[in-house]
Amino acid sequence: DAGVTQSPTHLIKTRGQQVTLRCSPKSGHDTVSWYQQALGQGPQFIFQYYEEEERQRGNFPDRFSGHQFPNYSSELNVNALLLGDSALYLCASSFTGANTEAFFGQGTRLTVV
Amino acid sequence: AQSVTQPDIHITVSEGASLELRCNYSYGATPYLFWYVQSPGQGLQLLLKYFSGDTLVQGIKGFEAEFKRSQSSFNLRKPSVHWSDAAEYFCAVSDTGRRALTFGSGTRLQVQP
Repeated sequence: DAGVTQSPTHLIKTRGQQVTLRCSPKSGHDTVSWYQQALGQGPQFIFQYYEEEERQRGNFPDRFSGHQFPNYSSELNVNALLLGDSALYLCASSFTGANTEAFFGQGTRLTVV
Repeated sequence: AQSVTQPDIHITVSEGASLELRCNYSYGATPYLFWYVQSPGQGLQLLLKYFSGDTLVQGIKGFEAEFKRSQSSFNLRKPSVHWSDAAEYFCAVSDTGRRALTFGSGTRLQVQP
C-alpha cells in the first residue's frame, strides 16, 4: 500500500501565477482533505472533498479551489499566488465511515517568489 | 468553534526521561482527539486517537494519552524518551472522525543525549 502520495514534492512559483497540486489517496479511502501549513504553525484546514463535491470548507479565499476525480484522487488549485501562500500543503485521505482517521501525505512545499 | 491549545512551544528532555506534552481543547460536545507527529519537512503521522470509551489510549512508539473531560485536556505521555522522538507534535480535534481537523500550533521536542 503506497499510502497517500502527493506531487510535486517542491515547486517554486512567481507571484500572480497559478499552481496545481495533486494527491492520490490511500487505497480504500474515498475522502480527501487539504491543509496549509505555514512555517512554524499547525496545519490549517482548506477544504474536504467527497463524492467529487466539496463537503466542507475552511476560512480560505476563493483563490483556493479543488477537484476530486472518480478515482478519488484530488487536485488543489491556487490562483493569483501571493507571497503569503508559501507553505507546506498537506493532503489527507480517509474513509467516510464513522470513527475513521486521516492519513497524511508527505506534502508539497510551495515557495512563491 | 472548536480550538486547540498547546501551551508549550518547545520542550527539551534528556534521553531516557519521561515526557508529557500538554493539549487543551475547546469543543461543546464529545470531541474526537488526535496526536500527530511530524519530522522536519515531512507529513504527519498519527500517534493515537480517542473517539470514545476508555479515556487512556495507547498509541504507536510507546506513547499514550489520557482524555480528561473535566479539564478539557488530552495530554500525551511517554515513560522513556528516545533520541528518535525528537520532532514536532500536534494535537488535533474534530467533531467527528471524518470531518476537518483543527490543529494546535504544535510542540517541538528536543532530546538531549
